Amino acid sequence: EVVVTQSPATLSVSPGERATLSCRASQSVSSNLAWYQQKPGQAPRLLISGASTRATGVPARFSGSGSGTEFTLTISSLQSEDLAVYCCQQYNKWPLTFGGGTKVEIK
Amino acid sequence: EVQLLESGGGLVQPGGSLRLSCEASGFTFSSYAMSWVRQAPGKGLEWVSLISASDDSTFYADSVKGRFTISRDNSKNTLYLQLNSLRAEDTALYYCAKRSSGSGTYFDYWGQGTLVTVSS
Repeated sequence: EVVVTQSPATLSVSPGERATLSCRASQSVSSNLAWYQQKPGQAPRLLISGASTRATGVPARFSGSGSGTEFTLTISSLQSEDLAVYCCQQYNKWPLTFGGGTKVEIK
Repeated sequence: EVQLLESGGGLVQPGGSLRLSCEASGFTFSSYAMSWVRQAPGKGLEWVSLISASDDSTFYADSVKGRFTISRDNSKNTLYLQLNSLRAEDTALYYCAKRSSGSGTYFDYWGQGTLVTVSS
């Protein structure tokens, strides 16, 4: 199976600063990668699909990039409401696999 | 508005069984593949199973293959997951998720989850 690894495990960022989250696949997944946001006590919310396409209603400060095995989610100017765990998922091969998540804290 | 409402979770002994349900509304249920994804306490997301829109194809994670069965009733807009031979490691919050209409199997709507606890 495709192992998906996220780093760092925890990221502490001041409001207004940039947050950069990494997702790495153990083999190429092309651009078949999604990002989700999970706020405390809530269900996951789709942010990005196809590695870089924002889902409906997702603010422009969220952007995704990468292909193959290396992917990045960038929050250009962190807001307090962005406190959450961010998780990536590959859908290039079965079984579908998720990364372990990056927790974004507000400094 | 898309809504997914899971139910059926609870406390069960190892080796026991449960049936989870997910009632869907706000979209044409019969047109979309549906999935179950679980999250053990303090852990990340783990995909469990998926069923095609027309119920003719099912997929399972190796960790549940042969023990769990996914099904759906399009006349009732309801997704099911039958959990048999439960183990402690199956303890998790089980989410129902709708496959996106885009290209590829990712999920654009999720329910709030139903908690399954396997313990003696």
